[in-house]
Amino acid sequence: TQLLEQSPQFLSIQEGENLTVYCNSSSVFSSLQWYRQEPGEGPVLLVTVVTGGEVKKLKRLTFQFGDARKDSSLHITAAQPGDTGLYLCAGVRPGNTPLVFGKGTRLSVIA
Amino acid sequence: SQTIHQWPATLVQPVGSPLSLECTVEGTSNPNLYWYRQAAGRGLQLLFYSVGIGQISSEVPQNLSASRPQDRQFILSSKKLLLSDSGFYLCAWSGGGGLIHQNIQYFGAGTRLSVL
Repeated sequence: TQLLEQSPQFLSIQEGENLTVYCNSSSVFSSLQWYRQEPGEGPVLLVTVVTGGEVKKLKRLTFQFGDARKDSSLHITAAQPGDTGLYLCAGVRPGNTPLVFGKGTRLSVIA
Repeated sequence: SQTIHQWPATLVQPVGSPLSLECTVEGTSNPNLYWYRQAAGRGLQLLFYSVGIGQISSEVPQNLSASRPQDRQFILSSKKLLLSDSGFYLCAWSGGGGLIHQNIQYFGAGTRLSVL
């Protein structure tokens, strides 16, 4: 059973388009982290959202944590080829248990 | 600043051969250390974590073992590799103290292991 479901699995879009990727669960998380991973590299943390309903912006990237802290979304405005990569969400559960990672959304932005 | 090093970057090993992957962290002391495996099309699976020298916690039963001989050194080993051990192995560290799994983790560049 996958605790964190990410959708879509794959996304290929043209430069300049907008997109949203989702991270959903039936479980409640204390916080949720978003990472971007490029081929042959380790994931790099983009943002952590902690409060239900929280919205954080990182240039053209907007992250939202669901009110019930069970889901999150990442919206990219005017995507650029440099946004290409694997986007992973990871949930921090209450208590001291390991991070739960989703399978990721592989984004390809074509110039 | 803190840095994390993993080597080798790629490795091709025959079935039944031993394995040793090394990870070192610089610029911090008493970090929490982690080994993950990332299979194609799947998310990161935590294999081992360590909160201190000689302290290893295993998350999944498997053909692998981990050791932490020094504060900033984490080693992933196997006595006999299986085909199913192929994958992308990632080492990560987080700040010590507090609840280990709630700290932000910083990843190395990974080792691509192919067992043939």
